[in-house]
Amino acid sequence: AQSVTQLGSHVSVSEGALVLLRCNYSSSVPPYLFWYVQYPNQGLQLLLKYTSAATLVKGINGFEAEFKKSETSFHLTKPSAHMSDAAEYFCAGYGNQFYFGTGTSLTVIP
Amino acid sequence: KAGVTQTPRYLIKTRGQQVTLSCSPISGHRSVSWYQQTPGQGLQFLFEYFSETQRNKGNFPGRFSGRQFSNSRSEMNVSTLELGDSALYLCASSIGGAVADTQYFGPGTRLTVL
Repeated sequence: AQSVTQLGSHVSVSEGALVLLRCNYSSSVPPYLFWYVQYPNQGLQLLLKYTSAATLVKGINGFEAEFKKSETSFHLTKPSAHMSDAAEYFCAGYGNQFYFGTGTSLTVIP
Repeated sequence: KAGVTQTPRYLIKTRGQQVTLSCSPISGHRSVSWYQQTPGQGLQFLFEYFSETQRNKGNFPGRFSGRQFSNSRSEMNVSTLELGDSALYLCASSIGGAVADTQYFGPGTRLTVL
């Protein structure tokens, strides 16, 4: 079955620290991968999208993700966390439909 | 350009009732997808409509149905509501012409079944 797996349902980082949110995809998922962010009481907003053009994908708000085929990973990073980054983050893949991970809640500690 | 809008934003129903949710996509978008979001199951794909035709369907019972109108607006209907149907229902629109088109999500409709 096609799927993406997010490791860690909750991640806490200090303000200014590196953010690393992990996502692994099943090898049967074609190379369309996404990261979305969801703020409370809002829908999902696209952070970035991988479509095999480049392994390092830069997104909005300083986020980026690196596609590593050998590790079947697509981890999301940001060099320096900001309080406004506190939200739920979803990794997603596309086969013949979109598949979402279960989400990682990011807490930023002042 | 206006974003995806969903109405109503909040809904309370009782078991056995039926409910209809509405989604207006971004102007020019022809594809509308629906998702159910719950704390336990995360986001699960319900179905996708493109040019008034259901193009894809997730693994949900027949109580969940949808349709799309000629102006691309879409409705989702759930009949014979169960307590487990309580969830945030998200609608997403995309242009619809390419594989893995970027989806733009609405704010969702929070359905509570009592």
